[in-house]
Amino acid sequence: KQEVTQIPAALSVPEGENLVLNCSFTDSAIYNLQWFRQDPGKGLTSLLLIQSSQREQTSGRLNASLDKSSGRSTLYIAASQPGDSATYLCAVNSGYSTLTFGKGTMLLVSP
Amino acid sequence: SQTIHQWPATLVQPVGSPLSLECTVEGTSNPNLYWYRQAAGRGLQLLFYSVGIGQISSEVPQNLSASRPQDRQFILSSKKLLLSDSGFYLCAWTPWQGASAKNIQYFGAGTRLSVL
Repeated sequence: KQEVTQIPAALSVPEGENLVLNCSFTDSAIYNLQWFRQDPGKGLTSLLLIQSSQREQTSGRLNASLDKSSGRSTLYIAASQPGDSATYLCAVNSGYSTLTFGKGTMLLVSP
Repeated sequence: SQTIHQWPATLVQPVGSPLSLECTVEGTSNPNLYWYRQAAGRGLQLLFYSVGIGQISSEVPQNLSASRPQDRQFILSSKKLLLSDSGFYLCAWTPWQGASAKNIQYFGAGTRLSVL
């Protein structure tokens, strides 16, 4: 059974810092990995999707990497802003787009 | 463009009452559809998914059921709610591509269910 772990569970940084969120998964037989953002009481917004054959994806200040063989992914956020404050979720697709989620990293960026 | 609708946004129900949550997708055909639950202190858990009308796969044994009466409609139901059914329920869709679906999954705004 696939298990996804995210570290740290919470992170508080001052504005402008670069930061890294970590995600690990136990079964490397995945189709892709997706990073989401969730604001309090809201649904999920997709940030980046990395196919199993890819090593990284970039969108603006976000960069996600994938090392499938070691079961790890990282989300790098450059020059963090208060608007980046949210919970970040990592999810792996093990077929039919059935996603297994980590519990998330709650990020707070202070001005 | 495609959109996904979920309702109601919030719901407070007594223990033992029935439940019906509805999700509809617009602007696409034959999507894969999903129901997730996010309980306090726990991660998002996949409850059901559907790859076509009348085709429902259940991921975990529970007090809930799902149905897909139309191509773009997905319904989550219960005959008698339990306290443990409280949580944040999210519907999602992805374009159909079979087992190797590689597309982004899109989520609705969610329903906050409180069972008292």
